[in-house]
Amino acid sequence: GESVGLHLPTLSVQEGDNSIINCAYSNSASDYFIWYKQESGKGPQFIIDIRSNMDKRQGQRVTVLLNKTVKHLSLQIAATQPGDSAVYFCAEMAGDTDKLIFGTGTRLQVFP
Amino acid sequence: DAGITQSPRHKVTETGTPVTLRCHQTENHRYMYWYRQDPGHGLRLIHYSYGVKDTDKGEVSDGYSVSRSKTEDFLLTLESATSSQTSVYFCAISEMSGDGYTFGSGTRLTVV
Repeated sequence: GESVGLHLPTLSVQEGDNSIINCAYSNSASDYFIWYKQESGKGPQFIIDIRSNMDKRQGQRVTVLLNKTVKHLSLQIAATQPGDSAVYFCAEMAGDTDKLIFGTGTRLQVFP
Repeated sequence: DAGITQSPRHKVTETGTPVTLRCHQTENHRYMYWYRQDPGHGLRLIHYSYGVKDTDKGEVSDGYSVSRSKTEDFLLTLESATSSQTSVYFCAISEMSGDGYTFGSGTRLTVV
């Protein structure tokens, strides 16, 4: 499959552990944030989103935390599985635009 | 990905030739986007469309043009391909402004 990033920061975790992937965003006017997962050879896949009127949102095995004070976003994956191995991107959107701006991504590697 | 198809999936072309990539959606979504993905840069917006015949530039639009003559199709054209346009190109759609995007599977373009 295609290489989505040869020099991405990498997080290595053991199967069953929790994973935390961090993202710093740049625009203080951003009010909508999304985490995407990208597996090799595929397009990005929506995981979870959060709007700026919230600081936490939970999905199935995933939680997104938003700290607007320091412009920081994190994705927590509980009980990480081999199928979670992928590149994860955060994306931000400002309310006056229709455009998502993506971060450069973090590679998650899950080992047995 | 369901509802969004990119063609071709792979293409090799020579420097200086024109190339058109196609994005087709069956979701009747208003918004369509073209991104390119390169190592170390994540996903960068090339052009987007907010309706038939309504398009606007993204952050890396030089050397690219787009057309949207009907809701379901968004075409990306490289008028005269250059080696710097070797990349993986992703199309995305969204139903409303401020919504997350659904991505296609990508087109790998190599300019030799």
